[in-house]
Amino acid sequence: NAGVTQTPKFRVLKTGQSMTLLCAQDMNHEYMYWYRQDPGMGLRLIHYSVGEGTTAKGEVPDGYNVSRLKKQNFLLGLESAAPSQTSVYFCASTPAGQILYEQYFGPGTRLTVT
Amino acid sequence: GEDVEQSLFLSVREGDSSVINCTYTDSSSTYLYWYKQEPGAGLQLLTYIFSNMDMKQDQRLTVLLNKKDKHLSLRIADTQTGDSAIYFCAESTIYNQGGKLIFGQGTELSVKP
Repeated sequence: NAGVTQTPKFRVLKTGQSMTLLCAQDMNHEYMYWYRQDPGMGLRLIHYSVGEGTTAKGEVPDGYNVSRLKKQNFLLGLESAAPSQTSVYFCASTPAGQILYEQYFGPGTRLTVT
Repeated sequence: GEDVEQSLFLSVREGDSSVINCTYTDSSSTYLYWYKQEPGAGLQLLTYIFSNMDMKQDQRLTVLLNKKDKHLSLRIADTQTGDSAIYFCAESTIYNQGGKLIFGQGTELSVKP
């Protein structure tokens, strides 16, 4: 049981390049999330999904797209990377139908855009 | 709107107690949480408290909730160097769809030997 895994762990992009971050979970969770973490700003929600084939915008969605084609995978895309997207990205998941929501986090992807 | 605020840094000596504070604005909270992030890792749930409770104790951890002042605190007794981490306060509310949590900025706890 690997929990939540993220690929890649590190990446350096040039401005304007594109990339996709992959999140996978093996806990059969319905809900999945993408956050970014920046110093002094905590965790900010980018996009989230409440089930296969559905996605929704979070607090800071601009410049990012997501897809949830399979229940276990949640992809985060950057179409044209900007230096402001330099951050640490975390994926998380949690089962549906709860009142107490324990989110399970991946180890993070450190992205630098030059 | 919903907002969760924390101070950014706290430094204590090994063996002392640490108190990390958090304020929130949404009175419709269902649960309030403390997550711990160790260096280079993702967040892990440390403890939580239901919104109709005042206090919860779990070994070295004590969570206090003052609903009137919308203030949450985490006390760590006999703080060890292994407690050095970033601690995030978070809340879930009855209005948040999809299990969303609102996180504070995180408090970096530094424990000096």
